[in-house]
Amino acid sequence: GAGVSQSPSNKVTEKGKDVELRCDPISGHTALYWYRQSLGQGLEFLIYFQGNSAPDKSGLPSDRFSAERTGGSVSTLTIQRTQQEDSAVYLCASSLQPNYGYTFGSGTRLTVV
Amino acid sequence: AQSVTQLDSQVPVFEEAPVELRCNYSSSVSVYLFWYVQYPNQGLQLLLKYLSGSTLVKGINGFEAEFNKSQTSFHLRKPSVHISDTAEYFCAVSVSRHGSSNTGKLIFGQGTTLQVKP
Repeated sequence: GAGVSQSPSNKVTEKGKDVELRCDPISGHTALYWYRQSLGQGLEFLIYFQGNSAPDKSGLPSDRFSAERTGGSVSTLTIQRTQQEDSAVYLCASSLQPNYGYTFGSGTRLTVV
Repeated sequence: AQSVTQLDSQVPVFEEAPVELRCNYSSSVSVYLFWYVQYPNQGLQLLLKYLSGSTLVKGINGFEAEFNKSQTSFHLRKPSVHISDTAEYFCAVSVSRHGSSNTGKLIFGQGTTLQVKP
């Protein structure tokens, strides 16, 4: 596609529920990144996928968070048993190759009530 | 560990005035440096990047940044700002390690809000 697409754009969920956030990267981009942007905070790295290599999960804040990338394209970030501190904007980015510069999606605003 | 410090959380400036947004990083190895801009209610957009070569990098919308290795800085400048430049600006660093691949994972600063007043 023309850009990185994320869905849903907004998600309100009750505490304790599971949520899935989806990212469609730009076609042909081998690198895919997930970041979290909390109110008044910078961007926090969560996870990185590059081709068929094992993902870099070093930024996931707890074992409630997981992500997968199917067929080297679409990625899903799953948050289990959501907590209020999970409320944030979740940003996905893709890149043709490392250090080429990211193209970000518009993000999913997650609100846990 | 690598880190990025944006020294000013907010920078108010009048239209047509020059502006400098400061960014310092900590790393003992070679780095790649980026500036991203986030306009209100929009996603992040790449403004410019330094990978190698000339230390003065020109980006979109009239912005430029200078890589200073001795001062570990990558300050963003524009000689004359417009109202439309009002946005949040993020500095980011990606670390390259000799002999190993670079993931392109970026460490971001906390952001600087540029407020351009008429």
